[in-house]
Amino acid sequence: EAQVTQNPRYLITVTGKKLTVTCSQNMNHEYMSWYRQDPGLGLRQIYYSMNVEVTDKGDVPEGYKVSRKEKRNFPLILESPSPNQTSLYFCASSSLAGGHNEQFFGPGTRLTVL
Amino acid sequence: AQSVSQHNHHVILSEAASLELGCNYSYGGTVNLFWYVQYPGQHLQLLLKYFSGDPLVKGIKGFEAEFIKSKFSFNLRKPSVQWSDTAEYFCAVILYSSASKIIFGSGTRLSIRP
Repeated sequence: EAQVTQNPRYLITVTGKKLTVTCSQNMNHEYMSWYRQDPGLGLRQIYYSMNVEVTDKGDVPEGYKVSRKEKRNFPLILESPSPNQTSLYFCASSSLAGGHNEQFFGPGTRLTVL
Repeated sequence: AQSVSQHNHHVILSEAASLELGCNYSYGGTVNLFWYVQYPGQHLQLLLKYFSGDPLVKGIKGFEAEFIKSKFSFNLRKPSVQWSDTAEYFCAVILYSSASKIIFGSGTRLSIRP
């Protein structure tokens, strides 16, 4: 089954404790992206990747890091989480063949930083 | 700066009423346009998309959208809503020049009274 998976789905942590949210897709998509969803603000792009070893900042990259060592995986790293990073996070992937196509979203990770 | 505006934050309708959700973007170049739906507790799913050609596009579940280039708009419509359409709806735009920057609107919450 074609899908995007994220782990963990729920996470409660404390300020300053490094964490990683994993994202994996099995559709051989070139493009992967991370978003955060906050009430009234919609989805805001954090980072995206056009392919392996190619990453770039989205609209709200501060406090986040990513890596793309393999095509299928695109982890999101919070080196020193802060309470303002409490949010719902979505990973998404898409094919770039024939132009930029629809995004396939993961199930989301609800992060609470105390 | 480029942006996507969804002016209706919360829309409440009765079953069988007609629906129109507004989406406007600010960008003078070529765009790819999408509408996504997020049912309660779920991830985003594609409703419909527009790349080129006929500006009236049909999506799943009886939804359609019309791209009006002169108005920079891509409004979502459905002639008769059902209770199961209760969800949050997001308009998204890909700027063709970058092919990587994806901008989402802030979303419109649709509540259907049975």
